[in-house]
Amino acid sequence: AQSVTQPDIHITVSEGASLELRCNYSYGATPYLFWYVQSPGQGLQLLLKYFSGDTLVQGIKGFEAEFKRSQSSFNLRKPSVHWSDAAEYFCAVGAEDSNYQLIWGAGTKLIIKP
Amino acid sequence: SAVISQKPSRDICQRGTSLTIQCQVDSQVTMMFWYRQQPGQSLTLIATANQGSEATYESGFVIDKFPISRPNLTFSTLTVSNMSPEDSSIYLCSGTEGAANTEAFFGQGTRLTVV
Repeated sequence: AQSVTQPDIHITVSEGASLELRCNYSYGATPYLFWYVQSPGQGLQLLLKYFSGDTLVQGIKGFEAEFKRSQSSFNLRKPSVHWSDAAEYFCAVGAEDSNYQLIWGAGTKLIIKP
Repeated sequence: SAVISQKPSRDICQRGTSLTIQCQVDSQVTMMFWYRQQPGQSLTLIATANQGSEATYESGFVIDKFPISRPNLTFSTLTVSNMSPEDSSIYLCSGTEGAANTEAFFGQGTRLTVV
């Protein structure tokens, strides 16, 4: 069965420091991979997505993610975080043979230290 | 991407009553999904709503408790029936054009508190 693991429930980084949020998935075929961000009291906003092609994808707000098939990972990175990046981040996997339903990770809460 | 207007944004309801949540999309979408998000947790899919057919419910969710309507390609409603405090949660609607290479977009959510 498909699954998504975000091993870090919380991550605390200093403003200006680099960030990496981990995401591992389990799926037999090539997945469609997404990162979403949810600010407090808000809906979910797409940061970036991977379907095929270049395994390093660029997203909004200076985020990028790299698909590594050998590691079944799709980690999210940002070279320098801003206080406004404090939010909950969700990794999700979709697939054609699951009627395009998204399987969601548990989320990682990002806390920014001033 | 399309924009979903979801309302109400929040509500406080008495136990035993029902609340209907509405989602209006500014363009036609093939598939809509309804999720529940408990505080501090991830999203749990309630059901998939396709126009012209009954919603498909996930394990643990039933139509009598969460009836869904999808009268056209731009609108859907979710009703939370006979509410109890355990139904207090955030409810989110989502839409997608139905192809895996298009992302899902979300409404702002409805924060429901049952007292």
